[in-house]
Amino acid sequence: QVQLVQSGGEVKKPGASVKVSCKASGYSLTTYAITWVRQAPGQGLEWMGWISAFTGNTEYAVELQDRLTLTADTSTNTAYMELRSLRSDDTAVYYCARDTTVTTGGGYDPWGQGTLVTVSS
Amino acid sequence: EIVMTQSPAILSVSPGERATLSCRASQSVSINLAWYRQKPGQAPRLLIYRASTRATGIPARFSGSGSGTEFTLTISSLQSEDFAVYYCQQYNKWPRYTFGQGTKLEI
Repeated sequence: QVQLVQSGGEVKKPGASVKVSCKASGYSLTTYAITWVRQAPGQGLEWMGWISAFTGNTEYAVELQDRLTLTADTSTNTAYMELRSLRSDDTAVYYCARDTTVTTGGGYDPWGQGTLVTVSS
Repeated sequence: EIVMTQSPAILSVSPGERATLSCRASQSVSINLAWYRQKPGQAPRLLIYRASTRATGIPARFSGSGSGTEFTLTISSLQSEDFAVYYCQQYNKWPRYTFGQGTKLEI
């Protein structure tokens, strides 16, 4: 079945970088874009960015574009999210999700299980 | 940016009863509206897309309606697993598909 499996939780110090992976199975990463969404503790969902593995095109939230890089490796069917210069308010669960909005008019489906990134000195 | 506003923030309902959740967009999003359910400690799951189409595997007790700026999610007979947080999301203005702040459905 279609599934996204993310890498495990991370603890980082302020100023460090984190790279989270999102491995797709049951479909080819090139057929749908991947979106990244994060959720701070007890908060709502925040859109971070989007990548098309087919074209390599990316879009980023304005407030993150200086620190965020999304990539995709089609040979391993894996997408990556790298966030640099981490701050305490980057502490959140990070989700990848398959974006079906353009291809089939749907929403984000499915989602990865989430990766908790904790930023603390 | 399109702002999505959900109401109420918290809805208290008994099992077996009907729940109605609302979502308003700051400008028209046509029918490009999705609903998600997020259980504690889990990732969100797509329930409804195109405002009224149930996603694969979603039971018929979930229904969505609306267009333009006003949308509703109705759960006809609440089951225990439905007590969770629900988010609406517009996907009319690419690429930043904004979410509402969520409605917590509690017993």
